[in-house]
Amino acid sequence: EPEVTQTPSHQVTQMGQEVILRCVPISNHLYFYWYRQILGQKVEFLVSFYNNEISEKSEIFDDQFSVERPDGSNFTLKIRSTKLEDSAMYFCASIFSGTRDNTQYFGPGTRLTVL
Amino acid sequence: DQQVKQNSPSLSVQEGRISILNCDYTNSMFDYFLWYKKYPAEGPTFLISISSIKDKNEDGRFTVFLNKSAKHLSLHIVPSQPGDSAVYFCAASAGGGSNYKLTFGKGTLLTVNP
Repeated sequence: EPEVTQTPSHQVTQMGQEVILRCVPISNHLYFYWYRQILGQKVEFLVSFYNNEISEKSEIFDDQFSVERPDGSNFTLKIRSTKLEDSAMYFCASIFSGTRDNTQYFGPGTRLTVL
Repeated sequence: DQQVKQNSPSLSVQEGRISILNCDYTNSMFDYFLWYKKYPAEGPTFLISISSIKDKNEDGRFTVFLNKSAKHLSLHIVPSQPGDSAVYFCAASAGGGSNYKLTFGKGTLLTVNP
């Protein structure tokens, strides 16, 4: 069964460093998302991406964040200058089309630890 | 901003009995609801969904009920099994356009005791 994959599974970085989290969505899916979950809190929407552009972004997704789909298969989240509060699990998700089936399929997540 | 609320942080049931997980929402624009199951250090796994045009959807041991007038949905698991022990998230989306972002509740930790 097709699945969303994410790399790395765990990323440790120093505050102020840039990180890139990678995702490979399910191959025929058209809508892509990043969410995060800070320890003990709920899963929060960061950004949605469709047709090679951002559809919507949350207040969390400030100028330090960017997304890219560089080669038609990968979907990346970049944090330019990490802060301690960016430590969280980051989940990528995708759907084929929202017309009748809004089911988002999630990857296993990347645990980001900012020291 | 708690548009999706799961008021029970935890629930404990005996194996073989029914588990009922509840979820309330406030945003009338939500028209699609999903339940996800999550183990620690893993991504949410889709369980079952329901569109606002229905009031019930069933898939094996899992049934989701939607009461639009009360803005309430519930997930029933019958019979409950120890392998069902996990955190269950309710999520909702407002369809239309090119964005189907999900708004999640805080989750309910279900423990099924053998």
